[in-house]
Amino acid sequence: ELKVEQNPLFLSMQEGKNYTIYCNYSTTSDRLYWYRQDPGKSLESLFVLLSNGAVKQEGRLMASLDTKARLSTLHITAAVHDLSATYFCAVEADKIIFGKGTRLHILP
Amino acid sequence: DTAVSQTPKYLVTQMGNDKSIKCEQNLGHDTMYWYKQDSKKFLKIMFSYNNKELIINETVPNRFSPKSPDKAHLNLHINSLELGDSAVYFCASSHPWTSGGDTQYFGPGTRLTVL
Repeated sequence: ELKVEQNPLFLSMQEGKNYTIYCNYSTTSDRLYWYRQDPGKSLESLFVLLSNGAVKQEGRLMASLDTKARLSTLHITAAVHDLSATYFCAVEADKIIFGKGTRLHILP
Repeated sequence: DTAVSQTPKYLVTQMGNDKSIKCEQNLGHDTMYWYKQDSKKFLKIMFSYNNKELIINETVPNRFSPKSPDKAHLNLHINSLELGDSAVYFCASSHPWTSGGDTQYFGPGTRLTVL
């Protein structure tokens, strides 16, 4: 059974710092998604990662995928307050399973 | 020029009632989805349709019945509502991944409260 674990679940950090959110999954996967959700809002699709070694970057966010380790990371570079949100990873095999989300709070 | 729209945005109803949530997308996508987000913010996919055909049907009670009258619409009908159905329901759409599509576009969500 596919399981997806995200960590940390909560993260409070200072502006300007770098940090990484981890997404581990338990079986082989067709693709991996990262989403952002602001409080009370809908989800925004950030990245879709399809193959081993895939790396995608958008602004201060960079996502990577290691299918052998069954691990994806979402790296935040020089965090700014506007990046405060909850970030979800989701893994697609024969179904799509979401991680529990990482609530990121960036202090000005 | 909303991409994915849902109605209603809020729905408050009594246990045992039947209700529907409508979803429409004007992106020309072939694939549409329903997701449920519970009070703990856990997300779960419920259904996926491609070209009006059901392709993912997760383990949800059969009180939930999706209906896709055409490619641009995927409605969710819920019979005999229960307290545990209270959640935010999101609709989304994308091109099918088999043709290179990937990014999903989400609707604003429908907050369902069952009293």
